[in-house]
Amino acid sequence: EAGVAQSPRYKIIEKRQSVAFWCNPISGHATLYWYQQILGQGPKLLIQFQNNGVVDDSQLPKDRFSAERLKGVDSTLKIQPAKLEDSAVYLCASSQGTGSNQPQHFGDGTRLSIL
Amino acid sequence: AQSVTQLGSHVSVSEGALVLLRCNYSSSVPPYLFWYVQYPNQGLQLLLKYTTGATLVKGINGFEAEFKKSETSFHLTKPSAHMSDAAEYFCAVRTNTGFQKLVFGTGTRLLVSP
Repeated sequence: EAGVAQSPRYKIIEKRQSVAFWCNPISGHATLYWYQQILGQGPKLLIQFQNNGVVDDSQLPKDRFSAERLKGVDSTLKIQPAKLEDSAVYLCASSQGTGSNQPQHFGDGTRLSIL
Repeated sequence: AQSVTQLGSHVSVSEGALVLLRCNYSSSVPPYLFWYVQYPNQGLQLLLKYTTGATLVKGINGFEAEFKKSETSFHLTKPSAHMSDAAEYFCAVRTNTGFQKLVFGTGTRLLVSP
């Protein structure tokens, strides 16, 4: 089966600019996750969708970050305006359901560098 | 809230030697535990998981881990390291009641020398 697809793979922008990332989950996976992975750290959950509804966005900096999954399939994550501390890899993952034993399948991520 | 601690940010072994990556968890309820591997410029790949049942879990690429409740540990082992095992390894915990996010450790980079 095709894996989780993310684009772009790399993005370089200046602070205060805006940027958007795209994710296409594995076909049939109802749950989609966005993680932020800062260099030297483990991934941190930003937002979780179940179909097109938000399950958890408690760690999403809502003053600058937004995400949507309008049709319950693809998702976009946006940062506006970007800050230097947003430099990180943004990982998208998907799973069949929300059960705690459901493994999450990860995309290769988008590496964001803020100048 | 649940958490995991991975001891050692870097572990170096020789090819053919035993691999041991340590993970201790904190959880007020029985946890679900996972090990993921991340190769350079790639996403995370599930190695193995413990949910219920047998405490010794076998995963892909010859890795296994043992859930020890008394020690709150879930260490990852492989009898004989291969050069291709060089990567970043993450332990993660998720509770099995209600909604809880997957919480990752800070990772351990495994270096394998010839």
